[in-house]
Amino acid sequence: EPEVTQTPSHQVTQMGQEVILRCVPISNHLYFYWYRQILGQKVEFLVSFYNNEISEKSEIFDDQFSVERPDGSNFTLKIRSTKLEDSAMYFCATFRWDRGYEQYFGPGTRLTVT
Amino acid sequence: AQKITQTQPGMFVQEKEAVTLDCTYDTSDPSYGLFWYKQPSSGEMIFLIYQGSYDQQNATEGRYSLNFQKARKSANLVISASQLGDSAMYFCALVSGGSNYKLTFGKGTLLTVNP
Repeated sequence: EPEVTQTPSHQVTQMGQEVILRCVPISNHLYFYWYRQILGQKVEFLVSFYNNEISEKSEIFDDQFSVERPDGSNFTLKIRSTKLEDSAMYFCATFRWDRGYEQYFGPGTRLTVT
Repeated sequence: AQKITQTQPGMFVQEKEAVTLDCTYDTSDPSYGLFWYKQPSSGEMIFLIYQGSYDQQNATEGRYSLNFQKARKSANLVISASQLGDSAMYFCALVSGGSNYKLTFGKGTLLTVNP
């Protein structure tokens, strides 16, 4: 069964550094999402991406965040200058609208900012 | 605006018994979907079950069933014959086309299955 993959599984970085989280969506899926889950809290929507552009972003997704699909397969989330409060699990999710609403989640990247 | 409410921060159940995890939702979209995900301590999100707003019957997937009461806007998850491996965090989530198909999650319920 096809699956969403994410790399790295765990990233430790120092405050102020840039990080790039990578996702490989399921092929033929058209909608891509990033979600964030701070430890012990609920999963929060960050951004949705469709047709090579952002379709919606949350208030969390400020100027420090960016997303792109550089090569038609990878889907990346960049945090330009990390803060301590960016420490969280970041999930990539994808789906095809014509196959129901189910979103397929990747295994997540645990980001630790020190 | 979409909203999911899970009022049970934690639940305990004896092995082999059934347990119901509560979820209520709010949306103005006539077409929407409701999900339940399981998150074990390892952190991944595992899809359990899905219910569409126009589905005539309650969804079932093995030991999981969704008690969908549209008029009450509730979508409770029923786990039958609980197993020790069911101990995890459970999240209810809502999606609709009017929300760009993004998921709105509840705060979750931590289920502990006792031997």
